[in-house]
Amino acid sequence: QQQVKQSPQSLIVQKGGISIINCAYENTAFDYFPWYQQFPGKGPALLIAIRPDVSEKKEGRFTISFNKSAKQFSLHIMDSQPGDSATYFCAAGPLGNNNDMRFGAGTRLTVKP
Amino acid sequence: KAGVTQTPRYLIKTRGQQVTLSCSPISGHRSVSWYQQTPGQGLQFLFEYFSETQRNKGNFPGRFSGRQFSNSRSEMNVSTLELGDSALYLCASSTSGTGVDEQYFGPGTRLTVT
Repeated sequence: QQQVKQSPQSLIVQKGGISIINCAYENTAFDYFPWYQQFPGKGPALLIAIRPDVSEKKEGRFTISFNKSAKQFSLHIMDSQPGDSATYFCAAGPLGNNNDMRFGAGTRLTVKP
Repeated sequence: KAGVTQTPRYLIKTRGQQVTLSCSPISGHRSVSWYQQTPGQGLQFLFEYFSETQRNKGNFPGRFSGRQFSNSRSEMNVSTLELGDSALYLCASSTSGTGVDEQYFGPGTRLTVT
């Protein structure tokens, strides 16, 4: 059922470094690509999202890069901080229907001080 | 505004038993969706309720069912539990579940089946 492949499974980055998480999707009908951040004991929270009409979206230290032809998108966390340590999920689905969203398996990010 | 709440937070059951999980959405939200989260499969959509009606359903067996009450609170039931049902069950609420309508997730119920 999983139609979104996410890598890596885990990532360790030094404070101040760049964290990069990649996702690939299959369904060309998908047109909404959110990223969620999940801390232990909490539910996922929407971090940033992109639509395929743009190739990049930046919000603070978080940037989504989108490659429609390759059906890939990635999350870049600039100047990574220990407080960014969490599990990150990418998702892909049709805009207008949250319930057809497909989620990646998650990446556990650890930012070392 | 209070967030999505789920009860209980942790649950241990044995195979063959049944379980009921509860979700209270954010006030004013009418859509409640349920997800199963496991290390191997990630988040998988179970079903969505809107105005007391099941509007969408994922690919899970009939042992998984749910309902929504007039105050938008929702319950999920799993009958004849199997070991593979061990997971974190998340519910998410949104205003209507359509458009760019952000879902707000609860903290989840951790179900362990022994």
